[in-house]
Amino acid sequence: AQSVTQLDSQVPVFEEAPVELRCNYSSSVSVYLFWYVQYPNQGLQLLLKYLSGSTLVESINGFEAEFNKSQTSFHLRKPSVHISDTAEYFCAVTNTGGFKTIFGAGTRLFVKA
Amino acid sequence: DAGVTQSPTHLIKTRGQQVTLRCSPKSGHDTVSWYQQALGQGPQFIFQYYEEEERQRGNFPDRFSGHQFPNYSSELNVNALLLGDSALYLCASRHTGQGYGYTFGSGTRLTVV
Repeated sequence: AQSVTQLDSQVPVFEEAPVELRCNYSSSVSVYLFWYVQYPNQGLQLLLKYLSGSTLVESINGFEAEFNKSQTSFHLRKPSVHISDTAEYFCAVTNTGGFKTIFGAGTRLFVKA
Repeated sequence: DAGVTQSPTHLIKTRGQQVTLRCSPKSGHDTVSWYQQALGQGPQFIFQYYEEEERQRGNFPDRFSGHQFPNYSSELNVNALLLGDSALYLCASRHTGQGYGYTFGSGTRLTVV
């Protein structure tokens, strides 16, 4: 069985500051890892994913995440946040069979002016 | 190209009633998963459908059932509604052979009174 722990429920940060949203996972089998973003009253949008290969993955809007197998982590980072990045961010894990994706409880990123 | 479409967007039901939620996957997608997202929590996996069969199920009672049609659209049925079933129900789709990231719909907000 897999599980996902997002270590911070809320992260307030000032605009243009760097941010890190932490995610740890537990699994006895190989997994794929994801970050999704959810804006108010909307569904989830895939931000980035790690399937294999380079452990550093990037999104088109400046976010990046690094897969660390030894620490079973997949933290999300952005060097300079914008007001528009305010949203709920979910870390997720899928076993390599791909049938079931498990989500963390979410981290609310609040960017202040 | 429409993404994942869910209907209705909002629904109010009385305890004990039955409800059917509908989902049309993104064009080209053949796999549909359903999630329940309670307020302030991450999405919880209900089940996944592929080729009109339920492939895997989460920890939900038999009151939750589903169906996938030949055109890949899907329904989620919940019988004997409880107050605790109040949540945002999300449908997500993907193509089996194209990685494991999902496209989510905006959800159906179900309120049980």
